[in-house]
Amino acid sequence: QQQVKQSPQSLIVQKGGISIINCAYENTAFDYFPWYQQFPGKGPALLIAIRPDVSEKKEGRFTISFNKSAKQFSLHIMDSQPGDSATYFCAARDGGSQGNLIFGKGTKLSVKP
Amino acid sequence: DAGITQSPRHKVTETGTPVTLRCHQTENHRYMYWYRQDPGHGLRLIHYSYGVKDTDKGEVSDGYSVSRSKTEDFLLTLESATSSQTSVYFCAISESKVSEQFFGPGTRLTVL
Repeated sequence: QQQVKQSPQSLIVQKGGISIINCAYENTAFDYFPWYQQFPGKGPALLIAIRPDVSEKKEGRFTISFNKSAKQFSLHIMDSQPGDSATYFCAARDGGSQGNLIFGKGTKLSVKP
Repeated sequence: DAGITQSPRHKVTETGTPVTLRCHQTENHRYMYWYRQDPGHGLRLIHYSYGVKDTDKGEVSDGYSVSRSKTEDFLLTLESATSSQTSVYFCAISESKVSEQFFGPGTRLTVL
């Protein structure tokens, strides 16, 4: 079974701190790695995504770091804010199939004021 | 939510009853997906569709069936609901298999 392993399950960070969420995968056919953000009572929404031909992608305070050889990728949230409090899911897409996403189990982030 | 509606938004039903959830999109996207979300499990794909009348199974398809008779609607049916199917169900759409997936607002289903 293809898997994406995500850690930690929950994370508490002080306002202004750096939040780091990690994901690991095994399937080398994965060709696209998105991160989704979900607020309570809402559907997940795409936050940022990366392809394996680059090692880092930054959009505002959000950065994905990608290590192809280690088969790991991580989300860094700089200057974390209370409004960033949400559940974050990493995912990976199998380029050889119908392109279905495999999701990690999620990380609940709480940013304390 | 990118032109996606789900109905109903909440439903409570009893074990053994049939249940149908509806996903409706106004984006004319080819791909549609049904996921379930459970604590500690993330999002798991139930079924997906890559065109009208074209569907396939996902990771957790047992006990579920789907139908897509027109581009805008994707129905998920639980033929005989069980308590293990208590979950939050999300529909998603994408323009192609390599495009971003947009999620609907979800349906919370409770099976007593």
